[in-house]
Order: sequence, then structure tokens, then C-alpha cells
Amino acid sequence: GQQLNQSPQSMFIQEGEDVSMNCTSSSIFNTWLWYKQDPGEGPVLLIALYKAGELTSNGRLTAQFGITRKDSFLNISASIPSDVGIYFCAGLFGTASKLTFGTGTRLQVTL
Amino acid sequence: EAQVTQNPRYLITVTGKKLTVTCSQNMNHEYMSWYRQDPGLGLRQIYYSMNVEVTDKGDVPEGYKVSRKEKRNFPLILESPSPNQTSLYFCASSTIGSYNEQFFGPGTRLTVL
Repeated sequence: GQQLNQSPQSMFIQEGEDVSMNCTSSSIFNTWLWYKQDPGEGPVLLIALYKAGELTSNGRLTAQFGITRKDSFLNISASIPSDVGIYFCAGLFGTASKLTFGTGTRLQVTL
Repeated sequence: EAQVTQNPRYLITVTGKKLTVTCSQNMNHEYMSWYRQDPGLGLRQIYYSMNVEVTDKGDVPEGYKVSRKEKRNFPLILESPSPNQTSLYFCASSTIGSYNEQFFGPGTRLTVL
């Protein structure tokens, strides 16, 4: 099955730093989603993007739907310890139900 | 509280011993799905169901079975587990058409020895 390439695989940053991660695909998607997974929990939706070029914010998080529809970016500003977790991108195409997930970015925040 | 529950949360078993992981949702969702999560591979879909008695294969269905006899429940069955099925499993649900708003369960960590 198809997979999305997500980078970086992991990041170690200091509290207060900004974070950027991205996701690329060989196929286009109509919807891009960003999830966060806390240790021992299931993924929780952070941001949903529905239109090429769209830029959407949710608090300190900002995500963009790439113009080519084959990529997406997530930025976290002024990171805090509770940002620790694994971040996944996911794509949906058309009316299909299947979420195609990225490989994940593990974020560690040090004080 | 709207939620997806999975049981058990942790399971260690041996090769060949049949097991079932249960999934239940209380949101009256038609759509339910099972994923497995492996390091470096993200989440991959195993099976999904659009409604009662309607199930279909995802990307990695080999070695798994599912059933959907009731709307709220979607059990995952491993008839003869093998070590390559050691993984973290997630159940998810949503309304039809709102696949971008899937609710995920807390996960079941399975180890097959």
C-alpha cells in the first residue's frame, strides 16, 4: 500500500524552539491531516486541510496544504514539554475512506 | 463520553494461539477500521467496515479476520498469530463521509512469541 514520507524521523529540541516537519507523497490528496500521538494513546487530530495552498492554525500549530497537493507541512512555535509525542501526517483522496499515514516524526522537548 | 474502547490493552501470547481484540464505540458510527502501527512504517489499515455485515480489506489484511455483527463492535481476530503480527493495534470509527474525523481507540499492544 501507499505510504507518505515524513521527515525528520525524530527531533530533539529545547523548550521554546520552533519545530518544522513535512510530509511528501508521490500521489495527490484532497485532504491532508495532522495527528499527534501521546505515549500510550491513540492519534488525535490536530489540524485538517482541505484545499491546495491552505494555511491553517490551531494555537501554536500551523499547517499548510502544498500547492502541488503532494505535500504538507506542520510548524509548532515556542515548543513546550507537553508537545512531546509522535506526529503523523495522513492523506485522504476523493471520497475514499482510507487514511494513508506518514511514517511519523518523534518529537522530544528538553527543558 | 464519546469514545472508542479496545480490550485488552496489552497482550502477550504464543504463536498459533487464536486471539480476539475487541473494539467498541458509543457514537453510533457506521464506519470502523483497524490499523497496525510499526516503527518507521506509521499506521497501516488492516480491515474496515462501512456498516453492519459490510467489511473489506485494507492494505495489510493477511493473517487477520474481522466481523461486524453489531454497529458498535468491530472485533479483530487472529486465527493463528505469528511473531510478525507483534505490533500496536488501533481501532477507529467515524460517520460515513467524515473519514477525516476518525476517533481512535487507545491501542492494544500485542506481542506474539
